[in-house]
Amino acid sequence: QKEVEQDPGPLSVPEGAIVSLNCTYSNSAFQYFMWYRQYSRKGPELLMYTYSSGNKEDGRFTAQVDKSSKYISLFIRDSQPSDSATYLCAMSISSNTGKLIFGQGTTLQVKP
Amino acid sequence: NAGVTQTPKFQVLKTGQSMTLQCAQDMNHNSMYWYRQDPGMGLRLIYYSASEGTTDKGEVPNGYNVSRLNKREFSLRLESAAPSQTSVYFCASSENRAEQFFGPGTRLTVL
Repeated sequence: QKEVEQDPGPLSVPEGAIVSLNCTYSNSAFQYFMWYRQYSRKGPELLMYTYSSGNKEDGRFTAQVDKSSKYISLFIRDSQPSDSATYLCAMSISSNTGKLIFGQGTTLQVKP
Repeated sequence: NAGVTQTPKFQVLKTGQSMTLQCAQDMNHNSMYWYRQDPGMGLRLIYYSASEGTTDKGEVPNGYNVSRLNKREFSLRLESAAPSQTSVYFCASSENRAEQFFGPGTRLTVL
């Protein structure tokens, strides 16, 4: 079993839909949780960063962490065709280590 | 500001050949990383360097070597390429180590 599991999709939604992307993990020591967005043939870019449990909102994006369930989510409101990309969750035990563990990534397509 | 740059963008090798992937960052970050990305596997850490002069193994270091040439540059070397090393390679750097900045990637095919 992988430490971080993420449904690879693909996920296809109409423009304007609310998108929910999820990851589960097995290591209860993870404290730092990130979502990266990766456009086709590009490097990943950091989208959201949260520490421990709770919610964080940034514009149309909301990240949720439920450590009791070992489950993190990324919600995208009013999805746009420009949101079409692969979304990777990543986790770390400490902010003092560069060892991020990534999920497999979920490919999202938002259709106009 | 170029951020993180990688060369080459594409490379085709024959089994047994060697090559070095170059990475440079202009953000004055202490930490640098090499990942490989394969379909269905996400990003896997090959090696990282927490600071100039130090390197450590990641999740999949076999078949690779690294050199932290100075604070800006971190190279990845394949001494004897194998088809299993066909992948997309990403370099990243960070200061706050939970937030990493990635380069555009090198697409490597080993025949």
